[in-house]
Amino acid sequence: GNSVTQMEGPVTLSEEAFLTINCTYTATGYPSLFWYVQYPGEGLQLLLKATKADDKGSNKGFEATYRKETTSFHLEKGSVQVSDSAVYFCALSDRAAGNKLTFGGGTRVLVKP
Amino acid sequence: DAGVIQSPRHEVTEMGQEVTLRCKPISGHDYLFWYRQTMMRGLELLIYFNNNVPIDDSGMPEDRFSAKMPNASFSTLKIQPSEPRDSAVYFCASSTTGTGGEKLFFGSGTQLSVL
Repeated sequence: GNSVTQMEGPVTLSEEAFLTINCTYTATGYPSLFWYVQYPGEGLQLLLKATKADDKGSNKGFEATYRKETTSFHLEKGSVQVSDSAVYFCALSDRAAGNKLTFGGGTRVLVKP
Repeated sequence: DAGVIQSPRHEVTEMGQEVTLRCKPISGHDYLFWYRQTMMRGLELLIYFNNNVPIDDSGMPEDRFSAKMPNASFSTLKIQPSEPRDSAVYFCASSTTGTGGEKLFFGSGTQLSVL
């Protein structure tokens, strides 16, 4: 079956530091990949997506590139802010599995001033 | 639009009691999803509806859980009887594009504590 594995947190950073959250996946077909973000006390919201190999998703300074050869979709941001403190979820949807979203376990990021 | 609205935000109950969680999806969205989030298992899809009809309930943990969608603007998730292991955050989400994840809007969740 499909699965998503992401690095465990919490990840604690200082403001303006570089952030990387690793995500790898297993899928039976050719999935679309997503990063969702959950701010404290809120529901998840879509951060960025990529639908095919070598696509790069980007939003709010975050980027992730769909790497089929390594089955990865790592999230990066060059200079984080305190407001980026949140839980980040990597996810995939696979047409072969009925397009249901499969989420990773989430990575908590804490950015200190 | 007000977004996906869930109630209550917090629910504390005792083991054996019935719990009902409520959700109002975004108007015009014809897909509705119920998710459960726990530390141990992460985010799990419990059930989803399309046009008020349950499509896939394979994620519902056991018969104690039931979900209904009597109309396009309202859904409930009921646990009867509740158990301490049901303690989790329950999210409702809605979409116009099926299960693909691109346009999935989540509510703020219901934090359930079963004592």
